[in-house]
Amino acid sequence: EIVLTQSPGTLSLSPGERATLSCRASQSVINNFLAWYQQKPGQAPRLLIYGASSRATGIPDRFSGSGSGTDFILTISRLEPEDFAVYYCQHYGTSPNYYTFGQGTKLEIK
Amino acid sequence: QVQLQESGPGLVKPSETLSLTCTVSTASISSHIYNLNWIRQTPGKGLEWLGYVYYSGSALDNPSLKGRVTMSFDTSKSQFSLKLSSVTTADTGVYYCARGQNLAFDYWGQGILVTVS
Repeated sequence: EIVLTQSPGTLSLSPGERATLSCRASQSVINNFLAWYQQKPGQAPRLLIYGASSRATGIPDRFSGSGSGTDFILTISRLEPEDFAVYYCQHYGTSPNYYTFGQGTKLEIK
Repeated sequence: QVQLQESGPGLVKPSETLSLTCTVSTASISSHIYNLNWIRQTPGKGLEWLGYVYYSGSALDNPSLKGRVTMSFDTSKSQFSLKLSSVTTADTGVYYCARGQNLAFDYWGQGILVTVS
């Protein structure tokens, strides 16, 4: 079973700044099956990135994903007020086949 | 536009079976490239994938739940269902249904809070 560890736990930044969120897997993630989600209070998670670097439909291009193997990054190039939320990474593994999530990074306004 | 909506009891007694339904708005769910998933968010474990089912009826559940999960698809009603047996207070949380594509979850329901008490 692959464990996903996100860091930092909380990130305090100001609008306009660049955010870099990390997701580290305990074993190599096959075929870069790694996704990122944004969740705001009282809402369901929203898919941002799939396949480590492909933006989901309707996601602004200030969101980008990168990485391979065990280390993945979500970058928000220039923070907008609506970007302050909790972000989760998720992967699909085999043996056994199932999905797991990281514990989340809270992005808060400084 | 794809829409999913969870429904079911908000309160379940310990040791009983939690039963939820997800109604899907789009006919495209019958495509083999999509599956329908149940995911929950609990104070103890955060986001946890419970299982998926395809339109064909093929299903897979999270092995950590030790066989407590049963899922099915009612094609005539465009609904899929979740049953989680022998619930405890640790099963309290918000339950989501979500469409799966490209090994990620691209559309989610709004979620339903289920309390075991």
